[in-house]
Amino acid sequence: GAVVSQHPSWVICKSGTSVKIECRSLDFQATTMFWYRQFPKQSLMLMATSNEGSKATYEQGVEKDKFLINHASLTLSTLTVTSAHPEDSSFYICSARRDNYEQYFGPGTRLTVT
Amino acid sequence: AQTVTQSQPEMSVQEAETVTLSCTYDTSESNYYLFWYKQPPSRQMILVIRQEAYKQQNATENRFSVNFQKAAKSFSLKISDSQLGDTAMYFCAFMKLTQGGSEKLVFGKGTKLTVNP
Repeated sequence: GAVVSQHPSWVICKSGTSVKIECRSLDFQATTMFWYRQFPKQSLMLMATSNEGSKATYEQGVEKDKFLINHASLTLSTLTVTSAHPEDSSFYICSARRDNYEQYFGPGTRLTVT
Repeated sequence: AQTVTQSQPEMSVQEAETVTLSCTYDTSESNYYLFWYKQPPSRQMILVIRQEAYKQQNATENRFSVNFQKAAKSFSLKISDSQLGDTAMYFCAFMKLTQGGSEKLVFGKGTKLTVNP
């Protein structure tokens, strides 16, 4: 199979602090990973496309300096929410692209900012 | 830009019956893929079925099948013999094929399906 993990699954942080979310492809190499945000009862919105060894491509309206993405290896991408505020509270989902076009999704991370 | 429309926010069906979820999309591309994803309460996205636009034959996966009408830009999902475990949000998604491997998925707003015992 193609398994993607995310860590942590749930994180609570205080306003003004930063939090890092990891996305790992466990049994395949992923040159491209994607980060999505999902608000309650809404659809997935693509935040950015992460390519190994290069800068991420952010979607319009997503703050690059707030949502830092690093794709340091073929199996790991990280999303850091800097200076988090309550409005950043959401469900963050990553996906990893295998050698074909298909994306495999992680289980998601619930971020709560107090 | 591509858009995906799911006109049914919520649907319900009795166990063992058949239900069809609607999806339409708008694109000027000729080469693309379409997907249906399931998101159960666990929130893990699960691929249900995919369709390559160049294929005329409708995709099927066990109890799941699609009705792909390329000219009408319609891509509906039929679930036969509905089971309680089918209860979930269902998202229709579009992917334009590009060189370089950074194809993006564009999701519809989803349809919440409830299977009743």
